[in-house]
Amino acid sequence: ETGVTQTPRHLVMGMTNKKSLKCEQHLGHNAMYWYKQSAKKPLELMFVYNFKEQTENNSVPSRFSPECPNSSHLFLHLHTLQPEDSALYLCASSQGGVQNEAFFGQGTRLTVV
Amino acid sequence: ILNVEQSPQSLHVQEGDSTNFTCSFPSSNFYALHWYRWETAKSPEALFVMTLNGDEKKKGRISATLNTKEGYSYLYIKGSQPEDSATYLCASSAGDSSYKLIFGSGTRLLVRP
Repeated sequence: ETGVTQTPRHLVMGMTNKKSLKCEQHLGHNAMYWYKQSAKKPLELMFVYNFKEQTENNSVPSRFSPECPNSSHLFLHLHTLQPEDSALYLCASSQGGVQNEAFFGQGTRLTVV
Repeated sequence: ILNVEQSPQSLHVQEGDSTNFTCSFPSSNFYALHWYRWETAKSPEALFVMTLNGDEKKKGRISATLNTKEGYSYLYIKGSQPEDSATYLCASSAGDSSYKLIFGSGTRLLVRP
């Protein structure tokens, strides 16, 4: 039990579908993150939210739309994705910023067909 | 562009061997250096967060050092065990943000019984 839960664990979607990834943390942290790991690439930061406010958008295409309704929940809404968006999407949380460790969920393995 | 480099990419050792990996990062605007262990089908798990030049941290058989002036960190594993088999990720703060971590590609360690 990491304290950060992601659903679903696996998702297959067509390029015209709309789906959402969900992340929930039970650690009382103020910051939440979306990371992407594509095959043979490092973990890449997508978005950061601090106290529900977006503080980082790492030049992510608009077909990825994050939502943070409160400090415990984070969503990533997906629409009109491309096959190259297939990847592992990891959610994380931390108390404060980089001075503290991040706690990760187990990820959603996304396949776009 | 901030690059975090890790070497080697992969490493196979015999049970009982001691081993070490390297992480190099730009030394300008440094704030924090993270090490994570990522086992297959699990979440990345924090090992160390280091911020001070000359810092040395230890957790059981694993230890890490930090040189912020020359921009490198070493991770040491003493007496490797099969359960140490995992990918070890290093991440450095981005300098322009207190929430942004840049990850290296990782070192994949396999410990043979």
